[in-house]
Amino acid sequence: KNEVEQSPQNLTAQEGEFITINCSYSVGISALHWLQQHPGGGIVSLFMLSSGKKKHGRLIATINIQEKHSSLHITASHPRDSAVYICGSSNTGNQFYFGTGTSLTVIP
Amino acid sequence: EAQVTQNPRYLITVTGKKLTVTCSQNMNHEYMSWYRQDPGLGLRQIYYSMNVEVTDKGDVPEGYKVSRKEKRNFPLILESPSPNQTSLYFCASKRDGQNYGYTFGSGTRLTVV
Repeated sequence: KNEVEQSPQNLTAQEGEFITINCSYSVGISALHWLQQHPGGGIVSLFMLSSGKKKHGRLIATINIQEKHSSLHITASHPRDSAVYICGSSNTGNQFYFGTGTSLTVIP
Repeated sequence: EAQVTQNPRYLITVTGKKLTVTCSQNMNHEYMSWYRQDPGLGLRQIYYSMNVEVTDKGDVPEGYKVSRKEKRNFPLILESPSPNQTSLYFCASKRDGQNYGYTFGSGTRLTVV
């Protein structure tokens, strides 16, 4: 079983700030996933990465395979970024393990 | 519109009364999976399916059954629900291959009394 830990658990930022959410996992993985869950519950898949870095708009995800660590960065944060961000790992057998999430609030 | 449809969105039932939560996707995805989400525990995988007639246990399969008779449908069956299965459930699907992300359903909030 892969232990997935996220930090911080809660994060409050001012609009415009650069935000970083961290994720670490305990065993080798096939892919690392970042999900976004808005109040009301719907889940959106943001990134799936197995190496390097991916960028989509103001969101950037990086992964360091050797250190078993991934980060999600949000540049120029906005109140609409307020959500819970969830990190998850999948292995070659398609088993999935998730962190407990980081609750982000961006204040105008 | 490409989507994963779960039904019902909300369900209150009594202990021991069999129920099925349906999940259907219209994207011809090979992979489908079920998760439950609980406060403090996060998302946990229940079952997944790589393709028709192929299903595997996830992290927390006890008390649940699934079937994959058709590519588009992946129902979650609780034969004898118990209060500890009160949770928010999500179905997801994915196209095969490393470059494709997951599409989640809107969730089913189940309460077992």
